[in-house]
Amino acid sequence: GQQVMQIPQYQHVQEGEDFTTYCNSSTTLSNIQWYKQRPGGHPVFLIQLVKSGEVKKQKRLTFQFGEAKKNSSLHITATQTTDVGTYFCAGPPYNTDKLIFGTGTRLQVFP
Amino acid sequence: GAGVSQSPSNKVTEKGKDVELRCDPISGHTALYWYRQSLGQGLEFLIYFQGNSAPDKSGLPSDRFSAERTGGSVSTLTIQRTQQEDSAVYLCASSFGSGNTEAFFGQGTRLTVV
Repeated sequence: GQQVMQIPQYQHVQEGEDFTTYCNSSTTLSNIQWYKQRPGGHPVFLIQLVKSGEVKKQKRLTFQFGEAKKNSSLHITATQTTDVGTYFCAGPPYNTDKLIFGTGTRLQVFP
Repeated sequence: GAGVSQSPSNKVTEKGKDVELRCDPISGHTALYWYRQSLGQGLEFLIYFQGNSAPDKSGLPSDRFSAERTGGSVSTLTIQRTQQEDSAVYLCASSFGSGNTEAFFGQGTRLTVV
């Protein structure tokens, strides 16, 4: 079946350190979306990438969509305690239009 | 309302009982999803409705689970003969288009089967 895996599963960093989560799909995705879920909350949309090799930035966050449209990454520069939460990638596998979520990466930031 | 609304927010039920979970999507959103999230885990896809098309039920874990969407708006997820392993947060999301557009989530229903 269609699988979207993320690594690492957990990451603990000291405030100010960088963080990266990687997303890998078993099938090509028509687009990749990233969501953030704060502890006790629900997922909230961050960004969408559509083009092969696309890179987008939001302040300290950099998102990348792979050339083959099967992988993606989210990089946070100089983490802050407000970055704490679980980051999910998501996308519709090729030939479908339903949104499948990755396994998620939980980020903990120590002050 | 302004966002996706789910009810109840919490539900405790006895093993073997049936439960109904409700989702009110954002007005005008044609796509509606149900996901299940166990404690500390990811979002497990359950079912997807898109407009008047037949729903994609490929994620429903067993025939005890069913869902319907009336009039292209409100959706109900029904779990029959609940089991303890059904305990989880059930999240509903809607989007204006398909999986190519941003999904908006409700606050979820926390289901506990005792």
